[in-house]
Amino acid sequence: GAVVSQHPSRVICKSGTSVKIECRSLDFQATTMFWYRQFPKQSLMLMATSNEGSKATYEQGVEKDKFLINHASLTLSTLTVTSAHPEDSSFYICSAPRAGRSMNTEAFFGQGTRLTVV
Amino acid sequence: ELKVEQNPLFLSMQEGKNYTIYCNYSTTSDRLYWYRQDPGKSLESLFVLLSNGAVKQEGRLMASLDTKARLSTLHITAAVHDLSATYFCAVAINQFYFGTGTSLTVIP
Repeated sequence: GAVVSQHPSRVICKSGTSVKIECRSLDFQATTMFWYRQFPKQSLMLMATSNEGSKATYEQGVEKDKFLINHASLTLSTLTVTSAHPEDSSFYICSAPRAGRSMNTEAFFGQGTRLTVV
Repeated sequence: ELKVEQNPLFLSMQEGKNYTIYCNYSTTSDRLYWYRQDPGKSLESLFVLLSNGAVKQEGRLMASLDTKARLSTLHITAAVHDLSATYFCAVAINQFYFGTGTSLTVIP
């Protein structure tokens, strides 16, 4: 079963409104979560690293005031797209790394959110 | 800047044939991951390779890692239509760096 749950899976919103996407680790604590954006037929682009209890780290070119990240607990990170515009339409995916045995860290991915701004 | 390149970007192959996808990366890492993505879906973990010479197999897919050459391969044996998807490799150094992806289409 899924170990990282992302919600909603699809959302359509009007230009100028804000949309919140949630990412939850279901059976482990995640002090760090990653938020990616994926354009059609392209790879994943890291937007920001969400850190529990501190500010998120944004990649170059990503507007932190537009993509608000909050990591309120060890199992929940949220991405809010503020004042959305059609060019923000994309597939957003969260990821949470989980350390396993023998330093085996694996990243688990949420189901993704298809955002369409009309 | 770390670069992770996959080759080929697009692959169309007939059922029953074999093929290899290559993943080259530009800096030292001993953790290499392979993922599968179906259209409109998120990523599904296929393999985690943690050391030089690591080889893992699952069904018709086999992945290997050569850390000295900074190369990982994903070999497909006797392809079937269900393997049609996009495959990504990723290198982990503090964060995950994804390859360009290989879009695989298996045709009857």
